[in-house]
Amino acid sequence: DAGVTQSPTHLIKTRGQQVTLRCSPKSGHDTVSWYQQALGQGPQFIFQYYEEEERQRGNFPDRFSGHQFPNYSSELNVNALLLGDSALYLCASSLTRGVSYEQYFGPGTRLTVT
Amino acid sequence: AQTVTQSQPEMSVQEAETVTLSCTYDTSENNYYLFWYKQPPSRQMILVIRQEAYKQQNATENRFSVNFQKAAKSFSLKISDSQLGDTAMYFCAFMNPPMNYGGSQGNLIFGKGTKLSVKP
Repeated sequence: DAGVTQSPTHLIKTRGQQVTLRCSPKSGHDTVSWYQQALGQGPQFIFQYYEEEERQRGNFPDRFSGHQFPNYSSELNVNALLLGDSALYLCASSLTRGVSYEQYFGPGTRLTVT
Repeated sequence: AQTVTQSQPEMSVQEAETVTLSCTYDTSENNYYLFWYKQPPSRQMILVIRQEAYKQQNATENRFSVNFQKAAKSFSLKISDSQLGDTAMYFCAFMNPPMNYGGSQGNLIFGKGTKLSVKP
């Protein structure tokens, strides 16, 4: 049973560039949530996708956008990168009609903006 | 807005001993979920234990147990018989259930974490 996978593992970008991060959910899951984890901090919720729509959004600017595909995989896009966007980006999957509300996390993508 | 506070940035414990990590939260909701996640140095976040607010009985998973005090909005994690593999960052997290059936899930609100070191 494949768990949550993310790609790439590491990424280095320059200020002003755009980046796309990818996530494949755990088999059987239909909901993908994205979190940003700055160094030494707890993860912060960016947004959540279900049925190919953004259902919830945290306090992040419009430079952060996403997409969910029919196979439930998801992308996180960040435009006009800032130095402060350097962080570990975590994807978590879950089953919306499940009873436990557990979210399973991927290994993350480490983004460095120079 | 809900907040989660972990007041112990770092803790250490000797192997085989017991340690308790603290967590408090703030919410006006009556129905919610609480979680403890572990993030080892390899960084993949792993769910340790969860608690539904409507359940009075404290959750237990092998060596891990919680002390859930709803009135005090406290949710501490006790690790018994600590092992070297328990060395990790531990995050307490809060989730509201979804507002409508068929809608999406709630999102997790995390504390800043407690770095636990288990010493041989």
